[in-house]
Amino acid sequence: EPEVTQTPSHQVTQMGQEVILRCVPISNHLYFYWYRQILGQKVEFLVSFYNNEISEKSEIFDDQFSVERPDGSNFTLKIRSTKLEDSAMYFCASSEQQGANGNTIYFGEGSWLTVV
Amino acid sequence: QKEVEQNSGPLSVPEGAIASLNCTYSDRVSQSFFWYRQYSGKSPELIMSIYSNGDKEDGRFTAQLNKASQYVSLLIRDSQPSDSATYLCAVKVLTGGGNKLTFGTGTQLKVEL
Repeated sequence: EPEVTQTPSHQVTQMGQEVILRCVPISNHLYFYWYRQILGQKVEFLVSFYNNEISEKSEIFDDQFSVERPDGSNFTLKIRSTKLEDSAMYFCASSEQQGANGNTIYFGEGSWLTVV
Repeated sequence: QKEVEQNSGPLSVPEGAIASLNCTYSDRVSQSFFWYRQYSGKSPELIMSIYSNGDKEDGRFTAQLNKASQYVSLLIRDSQPSDSATYLCAVKVLTGGGNKLTFGTGTQLKVEL
């Protein structure tokens, strides 16, 4: 069964450092997403990406965050200068279509980011 | 503020019983509703989706939607210890940005032997 893959599974970084989280979405999917989940809290939407541009972003996704699809397969989330409060599980997700009912979002296994 | 509300639990049920999980949402233009299961430290896994008022059954799972009351529920019949997890209710409003899901905080379910 096709799946969304993410690397690394766990990363520890010092505050102020740049972090890049990588994702390979399911190959025929067109919509890509990043969500995050702070320990013990709800899953929160960060950004959606379609046709090589951001289609929607949340208030969390400020200037410190960026996304990119550099080579047609990978989808990356960059945090320029990490803060302690960026510590969370980051989930990449993808879907085949946009608005159709029955369109499933598939989540990757997550990248756990710890900022120290 | 678009909110999805769930009782955090834990909800404890004996093995073989019916577990009933509830969710309310505040945005009346919400169009699609999803139940995800999340084991500790793992990613959300889709269990059920429902789009129309009424019941939708899939194996041991039944989702119920009442748009007038802004209420969606999940019933798990013949609960098994492997069903012990956190169940996330998620709501989608169709926007130009694709499938933006708003999640509730989740209800922790414990199925006891």
